[in-house]
Amino acid sequence: AQTVTQSQPEMSVQEAETVTLSCTYDTSENNYYLFWYKQPPSRQMILVIRQEAYKQQNATENRFSVNFQKAAKSFSLKISDSQLGDTAMYFCAFMKLTGANSKLTFGKGITLSVRP
Amino acid sequence: AAGVIQSPRHLIKEKRETATLKCYPIPRHDTVYWYQQGPGQDPQFLISFYEKMQSDKGSIPDRFSAQQFSDYHSELNMSSLELGDSALYFCASSPHRYDNYGYTFGSGTRLTVV
Repeated sequence: AQTVTQSQPEMSVQEAETVTLSCTYDTSENNYYLFWYKQPPSRQMILVIRQEAYKQQNATENRFSVNFQKAAKSFSLKISDSQLGDTAMYFCAFMKLTGANSKLTFGKGITLSVRP
Repeated sequence: AAGVIQSPRHLIKEKRETATLKCYPIPRHDTVYWYQQGPGQDPQFLISFYEKMQSDKGSIPDRFSAQQFSDYHSELNMSSLELGDSALYFCASSPHRYDNYGYTFGSGTRLTVV
């Protein structure tokens, strides 16, 4: 079974600054995907970024980038130039790679507040 | 673009009643997943279906059952409701073949048991 750990329950950042959200995971699988999802007050689950475990290059999506350390089983999310709209709950999630889509295992989440 | 449709958006039920939640996947998505998110909690996987057959099962109580129909929509039936069943219930759909950008969540059904 896989576990995903987000040890920081809350973080706060000043608008326009950079913040890093931490995530570690445990698995015996070699092939898997990792994701960061954003859940704003509307409660919609929105995909922020994904990382394939077999790729060494860290994924980047505009202001969002990850630091993927496979050996350390660490997957942190960096948000640059933070915006007020980034205020949300952020979940790190794991999916085993079987060639087909499968269930997501989520961490407990972190509440990010962006201050004006 | 079409999204995953869940109905109803909100539902209030009394203890011991029954509730039915519906999920309409994105067209051509053949796999449906159900997740339960309690207040302040992370989403927990309940059950999934591929081509109308159960494909995986998580921490779904025996009081809950689900199925996927020929048009690929899915229903989650919850009986003998308890206060602890109050949660946000997400449905997600995807193509069977891996494509996470096609793994899409609905807006959820908020169930309140009183």
